[in-house]
Amino acid sequence: DGGITQSPKYLFRKEGQNVTLSCEQNLNHDAMYWYRQDPGQGLRLIYYSQIVNDFQKGDIAEGYSVSREKKESFPLTVTSAQKNPTAFYLCASSIHMPSFDEQFFGPGTRLTVL
Amino acid sequence: AQKVTQAQTEISVVEKEDVTLDCVYETRDTTYYLFWYKQPPSGELVFLIRRNSFDEQNEISGRYSWNFQKSTSSFNFTITASQVVDSAVYFCALGSGSARQLTFGSGTQLTVLP
Repeated sequence: DGGITQSPKYLFRKEGQNVTLSCEQNLNHDAMYWYRQDPGQGLRLIYYSQIVNDFQKGDIAEGYSVSREKKESFPLTVTSAQKNPTAFYLCASSIHMPSFDEQFFGPGTRLTVL
Repeated sequence: AQKVTQAQTEISVVEKEDVTLDCVYETRDTTYYLFWYKQPPSGELVFLIRRNSFDEQNEISGRYSWNFQKSTSSFNFTITASQVVDSAVYFCALGSGSARQLTFGSGTQLTVLP
């Protein structure tokens, strides 16, 4: 089955700790994205990548970092510099960018800072 | 600047009622794409439809229909004979070349009561 996997589903961290969220896709898509969703709000773009070894900041990149060493993988690190990291994080992919093809989403990771 | 407004934060209907979810968008681009996604309680966004700015034909897919009107910058979504399984958050999104990314509305929480 083709799709996007995110792990873990729930993540707890203490203030001041960095944490990495995993995102893997086997759809052979070039483009990958990370979004943040807060209660009652839409999705906001954190980072996106159009191709391996290339990525760009989205609207709310401060306090986050990413890497794209493999086409299938696009991990997101939430650093201690992110002031309000508690949120629901969604990873997505699409065939290309920015042709605005359909984006396929993973099941999400809910991060809670204790 | 891109903007998507979903003025209806929450809607409740009784099963078998028809319901329309509103979406109003703003963009200066003449070429753009509009999307609807469904987010069930599990959290994963599910793609429903993509429509480009040159195609104003209304579309029907089973119980779902979409009304695209450029004159009013709206892309409304109607569910006919709603079912409990339709309960979810529905997002409208806009993509256009100048922004190179999707802009999401804040979503409408639809609850269908049995």
